[in-house]
Amino acid sequence: GQNIDQPTEMTATEGAIVQINCTYQTSGFNGLFWYQQHAGEAPTFLSYNVLDGLEEKGRFSSFLSRSKGYSYLLLKELQMKDSASYLCAVMDSNYQLIWGAGTKLIIKP
Amino acid sequence: DVKVTQSSRYLVKRTGEKVFLECVQDMDHENMFWYRQDPGLGLRLIYFSYDVKMKEKGDIPEGYSVSREKKERFSLILESASTNQTSMYLCASSLGQGETDTQYFGPGTRLTVL
Repeated sequence: GQNIDQPTEMTATEGAIVQINCTYQTSGFNGLFWYQQHAGEAPTFLSYNVLDGLEEKGRFSSFLSRSKGYSYLLLKELQMKDSASYLCAVMDSNYQLIWGAGTKLIIKP
Repeated sequence: DVKVTQSSRYLVKRTGEKVFLECVQDMDHENMFWYRQDPGLGLRLIYFSYDVKMKEKGDIPEGYSVSREKKERFSLILESASTNQTSMYLCASSLGQGETDTQYFGPGTRLTVL
């Protein structure tokens, strides 16, 4: 079966760095997406990786290793507004998105 | 900016009622999707559509149907609502494949079935 695993919840301190991991087993691979979802709101797109390596976008970076079925989202200089759930999703060989359950990130002052 | 709108943010219905959830996107996207989101579970795909009048079942289509008469509009129908359909319903649209298949979501409809 297809599976996406990510931690249920993480806590970090304002100003610090946090890494949210995602491992996947899917039938085929056509890219990995990270979304941010604030409580009660819609998911919003953060990043897309299809090749191995690190993609940096401001305070957020996303890493992919296809051979290991592994990705992480790195958030630097954490702000209180980064408190949200972070969803990992993999596009399989049929171009269907398989979603993880999300990681709830709690930022403390 | 892509804009995806949904007809209601909150909806309360009774068991057995027919429920219509509407979704409209303004970016001429080909693909549209309906998901439900429940605590502790990932987004689960109900139905999707790659073109007008075209529909495909997702992972959990039972108890739902859809309609896409116009490119910009994708409706989700609960023929006879049941309490286990209480959930957050999210509509999304996307342009194509690869990074262009990034899905953009509407604000969601929180449906409660009593």
